[in-house]
Amino acid sequence: NAGVTQTPKFQVLKTGQSMTLQCAQDMNHNSMYWYRQDPGMGLRLIYYSASEGTTDKGEVPNGYNVSRLNKREFSLRLESAAPSQTSVYFCASSEAWASGYEQYFGPGTRLTVT
Amino acid sequence: QKEVEQNSGPLSVPEGAIASLNCTYSDRGSQSFFWYRQYSGKSPELIMFIYSNGDKEDGRFTAQLNKASQYVSLLIRDSQPSDSATYLCAVKGGGYQKVTFGTGTKLQVIP
Repeated sequence: NAGVTQTPKFQVLKTGQSMTLQCAQDMNHNSMYWYRQDPGMGLRLIYYSASEGTTDKGEVPNGYNVSRLNKREFSLRLESAAPSQTSVYFCASSEAWASGYEQYFGPGTRLTVT
Repeated sequence: QKEVEQNSGPLSVPEGAIASLNCTYSDRGSQSFFWYRQYSGKSPELIMFIYSNGDKEDGRFTAQLNKASQYVSLLIRDSQPSDSATYLCAVKGGGYQKVTFGTGTKLQVIP
């Protein structure tokens, strides 16, 4: 039981390049999330998927797109990377959205945009 | 006003002492409260959650919630160097509201 997995672990991009961050969970959770974490800013929600087939914007969605490929997988795409997107990205999942279930986090992707 | 506020620290306590971490929130309708621990370079992991006013104990950890004062705290008894980490407070609003994280308090336990 791997929990939440993310690939890649590290990535360096040049401004304007695109990439997709992959996330998968094997806990049969309904809800999945993408966060970014920056020093002094805490965890900020980029996008979330309350259930398979739905996605919604979070607090900081600009510059990102997501796809809930199936119940297990939720990907985050940067179409044209900018230095302001340098951050640590965490994927998380939880059993449900509408109640206070804990979120399980993946190991993170450390992204640098030069 | 930030939705969830924490003192960034660092909070330094000697080994064996009680560490007290505090968090305030602005949404009076908030229903669920979580404490996550995050070691440097690692991802957050849940250590406690609380839904009702009062205290909830789990081993060396006690979460305290006061909804009237919009205040939640985490006490760590007999602090150990392995408790040195950043502690994130997370608050979920009522209904379909999302979870909002505070910026975290860095705890240093001095041997």
